[in-house]
Amino acid sequence: KAGVTQTPRYLIKTRGQQVTLSCSPISGHRSVSWYQQTPGQGLQFLFEYFSETQRNKGNFPGRFSGRQFSNSRSEMNVSTLELGDSALYLCASSLLVGAGELFFGEGSRLTVL
Amino acid sequence: ELKVEQNPLFLSMQEGKNYTIYCNYSTTSDRLYWYRQDPGKSLESLFVLLSNGAVKQEGRLMASLDTKARLSTLHITAAVHDLSATYFCAVDNINNNDMRFGAGTRLTVKP
Repeated sequence: KAGVTQTPRYLIKTRGQQVTLSCSPISGHRSVSWYQQTPGQGLQFLFEYFSETQRNKGNFPGRFSGRQFSNSRSEMNVSTLELGDSALYLCASSLLVGAGELFFGEGSRLTVL
Repeated sequence: ELKVEQNPLFLSMQEGKNYTIYCNYSTTSDRLYWYRQDPGKSLESLFVLLSNGAVKQEGRLMASLDTKARLSTLHITAAVHDLSATYFCAVDNINNNDMRFGAGTRLTVKP
């Protein structure tokens, strides 16, 4: 079956702009989590959605937001981009909320200039 | 706050040798995961360890979990170049309902 799909794979933005990233989970998976990966901070949890509701949130500013649609697809948005937002953003889906094996997408690599 | 520590962070080894990567975590959890990441790629699930004493093996990799010691190990047997990657352990963070990752161990296997 198809894996987790993330779009776009690569994007370049300038400071102050905003960006929206999309994630389609594995069919049947209702939980979608987002992680930010940087060389300095490693993998950091952003938020998790289940049944269109944000179930938990990591320690990121309010510029980072997300949502989930009825078909379990999820989007995350970063507003007023800063240089430090440059990272690989990984989406993962799972059967369970808050626990369980995660299946990751290929990621969206964001560069902020 | 749950902390997950891996060591070593960098590991260079020769083909054919054995080595172990260690993953310690700071609070109670009985679910631990190992992932592999190749450069520029996503994370691939390797092992899911769900109870104390769990041991799983796949090819040259074997993972184990000791929940009392809050320790998991990933043992590499007779390393080959194809195992070169970054390996992450991760623990379910019960307090926040998320998964907390270690910093990763970058493994390089040299001929």
